[in-house]
Amino acid sequence: RKEVEQDPGPFNVPEGATVAFNCTYSNSASQSFFWYRQDCRKEPKLLMSVYSSGNEDGRFTAQLNRASQYISLLIRDSKLSDSATYLCVVNGGYSTLTFGKGTMLLVSP
Amino acid sequence: NAGVTQTPKFQVLKTGQSMTLQCAQDMNHNSMYWYRQDPGMGLRLIYYSASEGTTDKGEVPNGYNVSRLNKREFSLRLESAAPSQTSVYFCASSADRGRGYTFGSGTRLTVV
Repeated sequence: RKEVEQDPGPFNVPEGATVAFNCTYSNSASQSFFWYRQDCRKEPKLLMSVYSSGNEDGRFTAQLNRASQYISLLIRDSKLSDSATYLCVVNGGYSTLTFGKGTMLLVSP
Repeated sequence: NAGVTQTPKFQVLKTGQSMTLQCAQDMNHNSMYWYRQDPGMGLRLIYYSASEGTTDKGEVPNGYNVSRLNKREFSLRLESAAPSQTSVYFCASSADRGRGYTFGSGTRLTVV
């Protein structure tokens, strides 16, 4: 089982739609969880940390289910500028962060 | 607001040539990392340095060496470049292991 698994997409949604991404991780001892955003040909940038109680940042909501080893990201009222690849990130076996391969989101007018 | 600075941004090498990728951060972070990103493979850890004076292998260290020159700088060296090392290389830093990373803008390396 891969350490961090994501549906690669692409997810094609119209502006204003709500879209959700899921991610599963294999290391039950993981303690840190993040979502990163990566635009085409750019570096990954931290979108938000994910906390056990769930957390929200504007239109973005992240949830963590430790029992199922599952992380989600919900984006409400999608904007054209949300088009990017979203990387699920977990602290992994080297005590460093392990990145999923990403889920591509395309928001259309 | 420099953050993490990588040089060069682009490089073309011939097979067998050597080069060093430079990385510097100005955030007083303890930990630094080198990743490579290939299509369909995601980001893979090459080497990391948890603190000044230490370095450790990551997932794909073969063909690379690193130097943590001081707290600010962490360089990646390719001693004898191979076409399989064609990739985008990202340097990153964090306050501690397991904390969120700040990435540099990357080096696009092509080995012919």
